[in-house]
Amino acid sequence: DAKTTQPNSMESNEEEPVHLPCNHSTISGTDYIHWYRQLPSQGPEYVIHGLTSNVNNRMASLAIAEDRKSSTLILHRATLRDAAVYYCILRHNFGNEKLTFGTGTRLTIIP
Amino acid sequence: EAQVTQNPRYLITVTGKKLTVTCSQNMNHEYMSWYRQDPGLGLRQIYYSMNVEVTDKGDVPEGYKVSRKEKRNFPLILESPSPNQTSLYFCASRDYPTDTQYFGPGTRLTVL
Repeated sequence: DAKTTQPNSMESNEEEPVHLPCNHSTISGTDYIHWYRQLPSQGPEYVIHGLTSNVNNRMASLAIAEDRKSSTLILHRATLRDAAVYYCILRHNFGNEKLTFGTGTRLTIIP
Repeated sequence: EAQVTQNPRYLITVTGKKLTVTCSQNMNHEYMSWYRQDPGLGLRQIYYSMNVEVTDKGDVPEGYKVSRKEKRNFPLILESPSPNQTSLYFCASRDYPTDTQYFGPGTRLTVL
């Protein structure tokens, strides 16, 4: 499986945008980029995913580089409830059914 | 409300005493799986099921069993638990065609 690289931790001020980077230089053409997050004492939660084009939903935006070797999860206005570990994951389209979690980025929100 | 439920949420047991952790989803998903989460090792898949009566091993299946007799339920069985199975366990189900996985709240298991 192609691997992803994320910073171990990041901090952001409350009510400001947050940009969480992910590098995936060995991504293949059929790999989707998924983001999940895990709030304290909870199970992982789906955030967003995309293939080539930038994606938006009610939780976040996903910006994908033109060469697809990196992507950025954007939280437009961070709240204290966004403090979590964020995981960037590559998945073949309905191929391998497993989610391979890395160590993720621990996001701390400063009030 | 669409959800994955697990029971129990917390369990302390002793070595060798058989236990079952139940998992149920109300979203009619065909695919379900079990993960364990350990500090420094992240989440690792134990078993998964593509549909009723279809199960397969994940990355760390040793010491675990599963069954899938109904679409909504996917219990995890530890027939002879050992201390190295002390962990946080998550059940998940997957939606088609969005490929979104929904996780349960977790079961914290301690084996003494």
